[in-house]
Amino acid sequence: DPKIIQKPKYLVAVTGSEKILICEQYLGHNAMYWYRQSAKKPLEFMFSYSYQKLMDNQTASSRFQPQSSKKNHLDLQITALKPDDSATYFCASSQGLGGTSAETLYFGSGTRLTVL
Amino acid sequence: GQQVQQSPASLVLQEGENAELQCNFSTSLNSMQWFYQRPGGSLVSLFYNPSGTKHSGRLTSTTVIKERRSSLHISSSQTTDSGTYLCALGGSNAKLTFGKGTKLSVKS
Repeated sequence: DPKIIQKPKYLVAVTGSEKILICEQYLGHNAMYWYRQSAKKPLEFMFSYSYQKLMDNQTASSRFQPQSSKKNHLDLQITALKPDDSATYFCASSQGLGGTSAETLYFGSGTRLTVL
Repeated sequence: GQQVQQSPASLVLQEGENAELQCNFSTSLNSMQWFYQRPGGSLVSLFYNPSGTKHSGRLTSTTVIKERRSSLHISSSQTTDSGTYLCALGGSNAKLTFGKGTKLSVKS
């Protein structure tokens, strides 16, 4: 059984619309993340959360807003979608942020977003 | 400039051959992780290895901090090893900076 669930697996949206990507983890981890992988770039860090608090944000655009309703949830809301937002978005989690093996990240299977 | 560089970009092996994948980094290291990305896209953690050598089955990871490099050795490759291998440099707050990966193809 997958321990990090991302929904949906595939998503097609039109330019200008808004979508929410869902992520739930059942590993009992305290930290959660969003990463993005587009065709031409390596996996890129977007956000990190620890105990539902934003720790780091490397996303320049405010169109990307993480939402954490529970400790094991970290959804990603994307507004005013653009074709350049097309990518696979990966959710990940780790036990902690403490610079030890507790940082080992576990990834979900991703949501592949296509913006037309 | 790019902080994490992986080589080779791609590699084709015959089943049974060994592979050595390299990861060089240009900044100081908090942690180093290796991941395997399946052809379908999902990622699997292989090693958390900030320094020294670690083994897991046919895989060995060696990180030499002074030389700012980490390597992943795959022995006796199998067709199921095909995929992309990613190294990632860990910074503050467990933020990872990924390399572009080595795409491995193992043929029977």
